[in-house]
Amino acid sequence: EDQVTQSPEALRLQEGESSSLNCSYTVSGLRGLFWYRQDPGKGPEFLFTLYSAGEEKEKERLKATLTKKESFLHITAPKPEDSATYLCAVTYNTDKLIFGTGTRLQVFP
Amino acid sequence: EPEVTQTPSHQVTQMGQEVILRCVPISNHLYFYWYRQILGQKVEFLVSFYNNEISEKSEIFDDQFSVERPDGSNFTLKIRSTKLEDSAMYFCASSKGAVYNSPLHFGNGTRLTVT
Repeated sequence: EDQVTQSPEALRLQEGESSSLNCSYTVSGLRGLFWYRQDPGKGPEFLFTLYSAGEEKEKERLKATLTKKESFLHITAPKPEDSATYLCAVTYNTDKLIFGTGTRLQVFP
Repeated sequence: EPEVTQTPSHQVTQMGQEVILRCVPISNHLYFYWYRQILGQKVEFLVSFYNNEISEKSEIFDDQFSVERPDGSNFTLKIRSTKLEDSAMYFCASSKGAVYNSPLHFGNGTRLTVT
């Protein structure tokens, strides 16, 4: 069964057009939710870890938030260099990350 | 900034052949992982390795797969007899601490093509 679902699958934005990416999860006993960025042909690059509902983390134009069932990655005034696939992953009581399928973001000038 | 390095970047092999994928994790990291990503699909966990032994493995990681840390710097994934369905991007990752309190740092992967 799907434990991590990301939406939308793809998102096209004009430069400066803010938006949000969603990650919903069904695991119980969440121990951490992670956001990664993946550029074509590269490995995932760590962005944020969130541990508890209500927590928020920010880095440049990105802000991640967490509730009991989902996380949002807010992108404020994106630039073309923000174009990438954004991956969400969770861990519960194991040594592994469970990834979603990602949101492919394209930002046009 | 220290990074995880993987070699080769692309490996082509025939079905039934053995392949070894190599990784050099970040030097002060203690936990090591292999993940794979079939084209167009999710990144999937294969195995975690800590204190010189496997700590967890997925259903994918059957008897055809093995991992080894032969010295203080390398971490390898061996596939004994490759199948067509093993074609994927294989990512090595490492972390300072356990997965829930320490971010994983990924290499740029080895693209394995089985013909």
